[in-house]
Amino acid sequence: TQLLEQSPQFLSIQEGENLTVYCNSSSVFSSLQWYRQEPGEGPVLLVTVVTGGEVKKLKRLTFQFGDARKDSSLHITAAQPGDTGLYLCAGEGGSEKLVFGKGTKLTVNP
Amino acid sequence: DAGVTQSPTHLIKTRGQQVTLRCSPISGHKSVSWYQQVLGQGPQFIFQYYEKEERGRGNFPDRFSARQFPNYSSELNVNALLLGDSALYLCASSNRGSVSYGYTFGSGTRLTVV
Repeated sequence: TQLLEQSPQFLSIQEGENLTVYCNSSSVFSSLQWYRQEPGEGPVLLVTVVTGGEVKKLKRLTFQFGDARKDSSLHITAAQPGDTGLYLCAGEGGSEKLVFGKGTKLTVNP
Repeated sequence: DAGVTQSPTHLIKTRGQQVTLRCSPISGHKSVSWYQQVLGQGPQFIFQYYEKEERGRGNFPDRFSARQFPNYSSELNVNALLLGDSALYLCASSNRGSVSYGYTFGSGTRLTVV
């Protein structure tokens, strides 16, 4: 069974701080995606990483895929209240499905 | 352009009843997937359809079924509802057959079983 472990589960920080969210697995994934979900809404795709060691930047967000394609991280620089939400990592799990982690609930306080 | 639309947005059912949830993908998208998200958890895969054929099925009981219509819209049916079926049901669409390119999710249907 493929599992994705996300940490931390909860994160509450002040505006302007930096943070990193981790997504780890013992399984290899051919691609890994990060989503952000707000209350009452569906997840919104932020990025897809495919190549081991790949780094992608999206404004203040930096995503990295581990060399072995088993783990990933999301780093946010100078967090803003608008970054508040549930961050989900999801691995391509075969049979056309995504395997999601439980998510990291981020709160950025003004 | 309209995004992925799901109906109804909220639903309350009694144990043992049956429910049908509906999803319209983004225009031109031929792939539709269904996920169940229980409070405090990440979404869990239920089904994926591409070009009206089932391409994947998650670890859910046979009470769960789905189909995709010629216009690529989809329905998820759940029979003999249990309290544990209470969840947010998400539909996602893609213009490709592979999950590698990511999905666009709808806002979901919040199902409460009492």
